[in-house]
Amino acid sequence: NAGVTQTPKFRVLKTGQSMTLLCAQDMNHEYMYWYRQDPGMGLRLIHYSVGEGTTAKGEVPDGYNVSRLKKQNFLLGLESAAPSQTSVYFCASEFSSPPYEQYFGPGTRLTVT
Amino acid sequence: KNQVEQSPQSLIILEGKNCTLQCNYTVSPFSNLRWYKQDTGRGPVSLTIMTFSENTKSNGRYTATLDADTKQSSLHITASQLSDSASYICVVSSFTGNQFYFGTGTSLTVIP
Repeated sequence: NAGVTQTPKFRVLKTGQSMTLLCAQDMNHEYMYWYRQDPGMGLRLIHYSVGEGTTAKGEVPDGYNVSRLKKQNFLLGLESAAPSQTSVYFCASEFSSPPYEQYFGPGTRLTVT
Repeated sequence: KNQVEQSPQSLIILEGKNCTLQCNYTVSPFSNLRWYKQDTGRGPVSLTIMTFSENTKSNGRYTATLDADTKQSSLHITASQLSDSASYICVVSSFTGNQFYFGTGTSLTVIP
């Protein structure tokens, strides 16, 4: 039981490049989330999914796209990376029923130069 | 505006001492309040989750309290250990569309 895993752990991109971050969970959770964490700020929700095939925008969705083709995977895409997207990205998952405990992945540190 | 504010921003305590972290929020409608521990370079780990009707919840040496009337919560750490050094994050969720409001965290350092 690996919990929530994220790939890759680190990445450096040049402005304008694209990439996909992969999140996988083996707990059969319905809900999955992508957050970004920046110094001096709380985690901010980018996109989330309440089930396979469904996604929704969070607080800061601009510049990102997501897909949930399989229940266990949630992908975050950056089509044209910008320096403002330099951040640590966390994925989380949880059941749709109480106690609503979110399990977080270890994070992906992305630098855009 | 829905906000979560934590205090203090940072705290240094001696090993073995107790401490209390504060969280004030303005989120409405309220669903639940969570406390997370985040070690440097790692993802947050859940400590407690409290709904409107709960006013105290414990997890080992961690005890969280919630006053839904004043919209305040606290996290009390008893007999601190060096491994308690971390950032502690308060998160309030709203019934409105899977919305989560994160505080910026309290950075706790426990020194021997």
